[in-house]
Order: sequence, then structure tokens, then C-alpha cells
Amino acid sequence: DGGITQSPKYLFRKEGQNVTLSCEQNLNHDAMYWYRQDPGQGLRLIYYSQIVNDFQKGDIAEGYSVSREKKESFPLTVTSAQKNPTAFYLCASSTSLGGLPYEQYFGPGTRLTVT
Amino acid sequence: AQSVTQPDIHITVSEGASLELRCNYSYGATPYLFWYVQSPGQGLQLLLKYFSGDTLVQGIKGFEAEFKRSQSSFNLRKPSVHWSDAAEYFCAVGGIGNQFYFGTGTSLTVIP
Repeated sequence: DGGITQSPKYLFRKEGQNVTLSCEQNLNHDAMYWYRQDPGQGLRLIYYSQIVNDFQKGDIAEGYSVSREKKESFPLTVTSAQKNPTAFYLCASSTSLGGLPYEQYFGPGTRLTVT
Repeated sequence: AQSVTQPDIHITVSEGASLELRCNYSYGATPYLFWYVQSPGQGLQLLLKYFSGDTLVQGIKGFEAEFKRSQSSFNLRKPSVHWSDAAEYFCAVGGIGNQFYFGTGTSLTVIP
């Protein structure tokens, strides 16, 4: 059964700690994405990766880091430098058609709370 | 620059009534257009997509959308809303470099 998994569903951390959110896909998609969602602000792109070992910053990359060592995996680390990390984080993947994204599939999300 | 605008932050409709959610986009070429739905605390689910061809596209759950190039719009419609349609709806444009641009969403409330 193909899809995207994110773990854990809920994550709690103390301020000042780094935390890594997991994202795995078995759709054989080349591109993967991380979004942050806050109430009333829609989806904001943190990082995206079009191929293994390559990734680009999105609109709000400060305080976050990623890696893409395998096609299936795109973990996101929320560092202590991120000033307001409490949010809902969504991972997605897509394939392309003629150089444009074909469609994007989303994971169920991870809700991170930092206190 | 690419952008997507959803003018309606929140819409309330009665169950059984028709629905139209507005979406306007700005994109330099022929866009790939999408509508997604999100239930509270969940990921986004694709409702429908437009790449080319017939400008009226059908999706899941009885939704349809019409691409109007002259108006740069891709409005989502449903003839009869069900209580289970209450959710957040996002319009998106797919662009060069595998990037997606999302609107800020429209929250739909369905009243009995």
C-alpha cells in the first residue's frame, strides 16, 4: 500500500532542544517537501528536494535543516535556532510530468509542541 | 511571481445547498492546477487536478472545478453539500522546478 508516513503524530520538546521529524515514502517519487502550517496561514514551504543528495531552501528555512540520503526518506530537523517551532508539519512527495509537478501526495502530519 | 489567492477565508453553507470556492492564480505559463481538502489534524487529500484539455474537471466526492484562463481562475464547485464536506480547502499551482504554490485556504462550515 503506497503512501507517505510521518512519525510521530504528536511530538513534545523542551525549548532549546533539537528535534527530528521523520518522513518516508514508498511511491518512488523523486521530489519531497516539508511544509509548516499555522492557523490562518496556509502552507509555507520549508525545504524541498528534487533528487537524492540535493535540496533547496523554501520560504521559511531559517532554523530548520534537512537531509536526503535516500530517495525514500527526507527527515526534517527543527533546531533550537527556530524561534517559534510549535506548528503542524506536513511532508509531501511528487513526481513530475514534462518538467512540472504532476501531483503532490501528503503525509498525515506531525504536530510539534515546544514549551 | 507565482501566487494563488483564495479570497474567502471562511464560508458557511446549508447542507444540500450548492457550493463554489474561489481561486485565482498568477503564473507566467499554462499552469498545473490542483484542489486539496484537509480535515482537522490531517494531511491534505487531492480532490482534483487540471493539466490541459477540457477546462471542466471532475474530482472525487462529487467536486468539480472549471479552469478559466481569461479570468486566471480555477473555482471549485459542488451541486449539493454534505455535512462531511466541512473541512479546509486549498487551491494550488504547480510550477517549474517541481514547486507548488498554495493559497491560504478556505474553511467550509456546513450547517444542518
